[in-house]
Amino acid sequence: SAVISQKPSRDICQRGTSLTIQCQVDSQVTMMFWYRQQPGQSLTLIATANQGSEATYESGFVIDKFPISRPNLTFSTLTVSNMSPEDSSIYLCSVEGGNTGELFFGEGSRLTVL
Amino acid sequence: KNQVEQSPQSLIILEGKNCTLQCNYTVSPFSNLRWYKQDTGRGPVSLTIMTFSENTKSNGRYTATLDADTKQSSLHITASQLSDSASYICVVRDPEGGYNKLIFGAGTRLAVHP
Repeated sequence: SAVISQKPSRDICQRGTSLTIQCQVDSQVTMMFWYRQQPGQSLTLIATANQGSEATYESGFVIDKFPISRPNLTFSTLTVSNMSPEDSSIYLCSVEGGNTGELFFGEGSRLTVL
Repeated sequence: KNQVEQSPQSLIILEGKNCTLQCNYTVSPFSNLRWYKQDTGRGPVSLTIMTFSENTKSNGRYTATLDADTKQSSLHITASQLSDSASYICVVRDPEGGYNKLIFGAGTRLAVHP
């Protein structure tokens, strides 16, 4: 299994500002995944972060809006830039582990944009 | 289009009762299906993973079934407890996506009342 710590757990932000979410894993992993979970909806993959290369973004998500850093094999950050109320969501960091490819998730960062 | 649909959207049961949650998918070819439990304010936690050759798998009071012919899975909860109150999410690997492209259902929100 993997233990994932996310910070902050929640935050309230003003429109137009940016927030960086940190994700720390207790073991070295090749790929880290960032998901968004809008209120009452399922999880949507934002991007896959590989150490030493640019993150791979899914359709509908761009680097200018969601820049990602992956400085080493245990840490990643996701920034939500120029926030609007539509960005109010839970953002989840995830890694894959075990023989079955199970996903392990962090506790999530609940973001509210006013 | 590959999809995962869950029913019911929400469910209320009394403590001690059993319940069954449904998941229908249209993914082909099928690789595996996972059930996750997401407590309010927490990240999802894996309950079980079903592969093509598996029909039934249990994890304590949780029993998952898979019918690959009809592309249906169910999650049966026996002798429910208050702590079972959570969202239950069905996840299928997307064969048209990349390495870790997953399709998440919208989840079933279960409330267990005393």
